[in-house]
Amino acid sequence: ETVLTQSPDTLSLSPGDRATLSCRASQSIVASYLTWYQQKPGQAPRLLLFGASNRPTGIPDRFSGSGSGTDFTLTITKLEPEDSAVYYCQQSYSSPYTFGQGTKLEI
Amino acid sequence: QVQLQQWGTELLKPSETLSLTCAVSGDSFSGSYCTWIRQAPGKGLEWIGEISRSGNTDYNPSLKGRLTLSADPSKNHFSLRLGSVTAADTAVYYCARRVRRETPSSIYFYYYYMDVWDNGTTVTVSS
Repeated sequence: ETVLTQSPDTLSLSPGDRATLSCRASQSIVASYLTWYQQKPGQAPRLLLFGASNRPTGIPDRFSGSGSGTDFTLTITKLEPEDSAVYYCQQSYSSPYTFGQGTKLEI
Repeated sequence: QVQLQQWGTELLKPSETLSLTCAVSGDSFSGSYCTWIRQAPGKGLEWIGEISRSGNTDYNPSLKGRLTLSADPSKNHFSLRLGSVTAADTAVYYCARRVRRETPSSIYFYYYYMDVWDNGTTVTVSS
């Protein structure tokens, strides 16, 4: 099973700051199978980035992703209060398709 | 617009069987999978398994033996059954559409991601 470890567990920043969230895999993943989700309290997760760096329609360009192999990064620039949420990475490269434990972002 | 709506048993006793159904509207799910995910109270997301419209399944080994996923293409319904539940199965259960898209750079790899989710069903196991 591929274990995804996200860091940090919690990140506290101010509006306008830049957030950098990390997702490290226990074995190499093809980037097209790495996805980021955003979850706000009481809501279902929302697709944020697919293929490590691709934004679906409607996701602001403040959200960007990068990485390959075992190390992936989600970057959020010009933070807004509405960005407060838990962010999960997930790999769909090898079954079972595991999630990271999440990073809580507080603005 | 694709929508997923879920219903099923919300309160069970230990050893009973959990049954959930996810109804899809706005998409035939041809080429997509219905993925089930759960989230225990205050915890992260756990991938349960997925099933295609034609019935191809992939289960999380941690639940194998207790889990059955099924599909009814005529109704565009997908179902989950989890037997012998315990308190550890208490969670919000989600169904989601998992799509497969070709990538521009490779014929060997695809984009896999869950782009549409339902609102989730809170399932409680308690004696």
